[in-house]
Amino acid sequence: AQTVTQSQPEMSVQEAETVTLSCTYDTSESDYYLFWYKQPPSRQMILVIRQEAYKQQNATENRFSVNFQKAAKSFSLKISDSQLGDAAMYFCASTTSGTYKYIFGTGTRLKVLA
Amino acid sequence: DTGVSQDPRHKITKRGQNVTFRCDPISEHNRLYWYRQTLGQGPEFLTYFQNEAQLEKSRLLSDRFSAERPKGSFSTLEIQRTEQGDSAMYLCASSPVMGTDTQYFGPGTRLTVL
Repeated sequence: AQTVTQSQPEMSVQEAETVTLSCTYDTSESDYYLFWYKQPPSRQMILVIRQEAYKQQNATENRFSVNFQKAAKSFSLKISDSQLGDAAMYFCASTTSGTYKYIFGTGTRLKVLA
Repeated sequence: DTGVSQDPRHKITKRGQNVTFRCDPISEHNRLYWYRQTLGQGPEFLTYFQNEAQLEKSRLLSDRFSAERPKGSFSTLEIQRTEQGDSAMYLCASSPVMGTDTQYFGPGTRLTVL
């Protein structure tokens, strides 16, 4: 069975600084995908970044990047130059090819301080 | 592309009543998913459809819950004889069959059972 663990219920970062959100996962599958989603207050969940497990290169999307450590089953999200609009709940999720359903972590609430 | 829409956005009902939620996926997305999110938790998978076929149901989906996607377009989720424990945000997501496993989420329906 897949599991996703986010051990940081809440994080704070100063505007313009860098913050890293942690995520660990467990799966017996070799073909899987990992995601970070952002859920602003009272707004819908949107994709931040996606990583295919077979790719060694870490995914990057503008100010967002991941540190994918396959052997350690770790998938952390780094947000550079944090902005006030980055304040939200961040969920780590995984899925395996063939099942399609996402398994989510419990989320990390990110506060950005002006 | 208007995104995933859900209706209603909020529903308050009394215990024992039946409720029905609707989800309209992104057009031409073959896969449709339902998740439930309780306060402070990540979304939990309930069920998913590929076109009109319901391919997987979670154990969370008791016999009081039923989901349909009659023509492979919109989907409905019905809860019969609601209980206070059914209070949650019900999220719908869709994804295309081909390409990435990325799911696109709707804004959710928040259900409160009194």
